[in-house]
Amino acid sequence: LAKTTQPISMDSYEGQEVNITCSHNNIATNDYITWYQQFPSQGPRFIIQGYKTKVTNEVASLFIPADRKSSTLSLPRVSLSDTAVYYCPRCPYNQGGKLIFGQGTELSVKP
Amino acid sequence: GAVVSQHPSRVICKSGTSVKIECRSLDFQATTMFWYRQFPKQSLMLMATSNEGSKATYEQGVEKDKFLINHASLTLSTLTVTSAHPEDSSFYICSASGSGGTNTGELFFGEGSRLTVL
Repeated sequence: LAKTTQPISMDSYEGQEVNITCSHNNIATNDYITWYQQFPSQGPRFIIQGYKTKVTNEVASLFIPADRKSSTLSLPRVSLSDTAVYYCPRCPYNQGGKLIFGQGTELSVKP
Repeated sequence: GAVVSQHPSRVICKSGTSVKIECRSLDFQATTMFWYRQFPKQSLMLMATSNEGSKATYEQGVEKDKFLINHASLTLSTLTVTSAHPEDSSFYICSASGSGGTNTGELFFGEGSRLTVL
């Protein structure tokens, strides 16, 4: 299964909006798009999921274009505690929740 | 939200010994659990899918005789690293989905277990 691709790292400052884009050119028709956050020495934590257009929850927004070959995670007004690695793993449909992780984006938020 | 717990969080063992790591779903029944391995500064690599009451499904390249997986109940899956060697030192993470699994990608991960083989 092809993995998703993301920028390896990003830098930001407190209070800024951060947008992280993920490419998933081989996404299947029924696959959902998901994003996870991981702090050092911890398991990943689910952030948001979507299928198409825009999804917003209390921590982030997810923008998905019509062709679904990419997605953008938007974190409003980041703080130092948002420094983490962000992943957009593939979730193949009908495989019980199997996630295929790509490299991830290491976000560094500076004061 | 749902809670998945792993034990132990850290383990150090001598080369040649076997180590068992537990993954428990604390407030839901997990028909399917997944085991991942993560080396420093790298992404998570899926090792196997653990199905309650049946044999695990291993990803290509993962030795099933070395990484024994047992999912004897709906709340517990175990990963046993047999005859561990220093190259098996890694961060092992489990995830779980509820009854029927999930197609939307929202899973719950354990805290991870760091194995160091001397």
